[in-house]
Amino acid sequence: TQLLEQSPQFLSIQEGENLTVYCNSSSVFSSLQWYRQEPGEGPVLLVTVVTGGEVKKLKRLTFQFGDARKDSSLHITAAQTGDTGLYLCAGYSGGYQKVTFGTGTKLQVIP
Amino acid sequence: NAGVTQTPKFQVLKTGQSMTLQCAQDMNHEYMSWYRQDPGMGLRLIHYSVGAGITDQGEVPNGYNVSRSTTEDFPLRLLSAAPSQTSVYFCASSYTRTDTQYFGPGTRLTVL
Repeated sequence: TQLLEQSPQFLSIQEGENLTVYCNSSSVFSSLQWYRQEPGEGPVLLVTVVTGGEVKKLKRLTFQFGDARKDSSLHITAAQTGDTGLYLCAGYSGGYQKVTFGTGTKLQVIP
Repeated sequence: NAGVTQTPKFQVLKTGQSMTLQCAQDMNHEYMSWYRQDPGMGLRLIHYSVGAGITDQGEVPNGYNVSRSTTEDFPLRLLSAAPSQTSVYFCASSYTRTDTQYFGPGTRLTVL
């Protein structure tokens, strides 16, 4: 069974601080996605990374795919209260036949 | 466009009861899927469909049935509910398996 472990599980920070969320596995993935989920709603896709070592930026969010395509990180610069939510990573493998979601990181940004 | 809609939003069942969770999308997506979300376990794929008339099992299919008679609808049936099926259920759709998945708002199910 493939596992995607996310760390930390919970994170509570002050507005303006920086943070990094990690998504790790012992398995290789064809691609990896990051989602944000707000209470009472479904996840919303933020980004997809495909190439080992790839870095993508989405305003204050920076996503990196590990060189070996086994891990990924999400870095948020100058967090805002609107960044509050559950962040999920999801890895595709087996020629995109299988998707595995991470355990999730619950982020709270305090004003 | 309404996107992906799910009904009901909340449901309480007794052990052994059956019910159907409804999912519909108006984006003409071929690929639809059902997930369950449990604390500390992320989302787990229950069943998926690559088009009308075609369905397949995901990671945790036991206790659930699906069918896909139209492109728009993908209902999930619980034949005999068990407390272990207490969870939040999400339906998602996309043009293909690898395209962006759009999730519905979820159904929170409690089985007593």
